[in-house]
Amino acid sequence: QITLKESGPTLVKPTQTLTLTCTFSGFSLSTSGVGVGWIRQPPGKALEWLALIYWDDDKRYSPSLKSRLTITKDTSKNQVVLTMTNMDPVDTATYYCAHFVTDFDYWGQGTLVTVSS
Amino acid sequence: DIQMTQSPSSLSASVGDRVTITCRASQSISSYLNWYQQKPGKAPKLLIYAASSLQSGVPSRFSGSGSGTDFTLTISSLQPEDFATYYCQQSYSTLRTTFGQGTKLEIK
Repeated sequence: QITLKESGPTLVKPTQTLTLTCTFSGFSLSTSGVGVGWIRQPPGKALEWLALIYWDDDKRYSPSLKSRLTITKDTSKNQVVLTMTNMDPVDTATYYCAHFVTDFDYWGQGTLVTVSS
Repeated sequence: DIQMTQSPSSLSASVGDRVTITCRASQSISSYLNWYQQKPGKAPKLLIYAASSLQSGVPSRFSGSGSGTDFTLTISSLQPEDFATYYCQQSYSTLRTTFGQGTKLEIK
């Protein structure tokens, strides 16, 4: 059974760096073809893909946010970490992590991050 | 970047209706198209992958079709639990994936 869960701060101040952790079980991020992605959703708005990391440490980023994002994995801990620098109120959103092969078939419950001073 | 455009943005329908949602890609994506359902306060749920394959556990009233640039999600007979927002997503580009803007399906 595949499960994922996001963790991190619920409130960050403008200009701060956000660090989110996705802890998963039921699969290994060292298995060929497997990836973990991050997707966010501002309140009342659409899904926006942010980043993806594959089993071989290949990393992909949304072009519009690439300069602010870093995705890493710790295979031994079954964790994927996303950092986003220079947070702004427009980054207020629910952040999801999800298991990826050619689709996002398993999702975490999401974590709401509010950016406010 | 490959842009995904869904239509309509919102839709009102009644229980028992047949509903079709369209997703168009800005360039050919073969069959690398997935559909998700999202209910308020919940994570998205994969319904259809590879344009027409039904995810395990998803009711057979859901179906997907299309290839290239034009895709459709059809619900053959709407049930009360189907009122939700639906998103398409392309996974053709190995550089980046993109979602459509969503279609909100509401009760008439």
